[in-house]
Amino acid sequence: EIVLTQSPGTLSLSPGERATLSCRASQSVSSSDLTWYQQKPGQAPRLLIYGASSTATAIPDRFSGSGSGTDFTLTISRLEPEDFAVYYCQHYRSSPVTFGGGTKVEI
Amino acid sequence: QVQLQESGPGLVKPSETLSLTCTVSGASISSFYWNWLRQPPGKGLEWIGYSHHTGSTYYNPSLQSRVTISVDTSKNQFSLRLTSVTAADTAVYYCVKWHNDFKAFDVWGQGTLVSVSS
Repeated sequence: EIVLTQSPGTLSLSPGERATLSCRASQSVSSSDLTWYQQKPGQAPRLLIYGASSTATAIPDRFSGSGSGTDFTLTISRLEPEDFAVYYCQHYRSSPVTFGGGTKVEI
Repeated sequence: QVQLQESGPGLVKPSETLSLTCTVSGASISSFYWNWLRQPPGKGLEWIGYSHHTGSTYYNPSLQSRVTISVDTSKNQFSLRLTSVTAADTAVYYCVKWHNDFKAFDVWGQGTLVSVSS
């Protein structure tokens, strides 16, 4: 089973700042199998980035994903008030499908 | 636009069976893989398993002995049964569509909280 470790656990930033979130896999994975989700309080997760770097429909271009091998990054170029949420990475080919523990981006 | 809606009891007694149904609109249940995930209060996401209209299923090994996910093509619904529940099964349960090209969960239901308590 591939373990995904997200860091930091909490990121305290201000609107307009840049957010950099990390997802590290316990072994090398294909970039095509790495996904990011955003979850706001009381809501279901929302697909943000798939294939490590492809932005999902209707996702603002301030969100971007990058990385390969064991290290992946979600970047929010300029935080908007609605971006304060919890972000999860997920790997497809794990058995079972696994998620990272999440990074909370707070004001 | 694909939409998913969970339904079922919000309270289940310990040792009993949790049963939820997901109604799919905007897509045929005969396409795609249909999943259940859950999230205990204040915690992270756990994948429970999936079902396909062909009868193919796959479950999280940690839950496999207690889980059944099935598809009802006549109603465009899929269902979750989790037997012998305990307080550890208290969670928000989500029904979720899998996008095979994206290799990602692309459409989520709003979630339903199921509490296990006597």
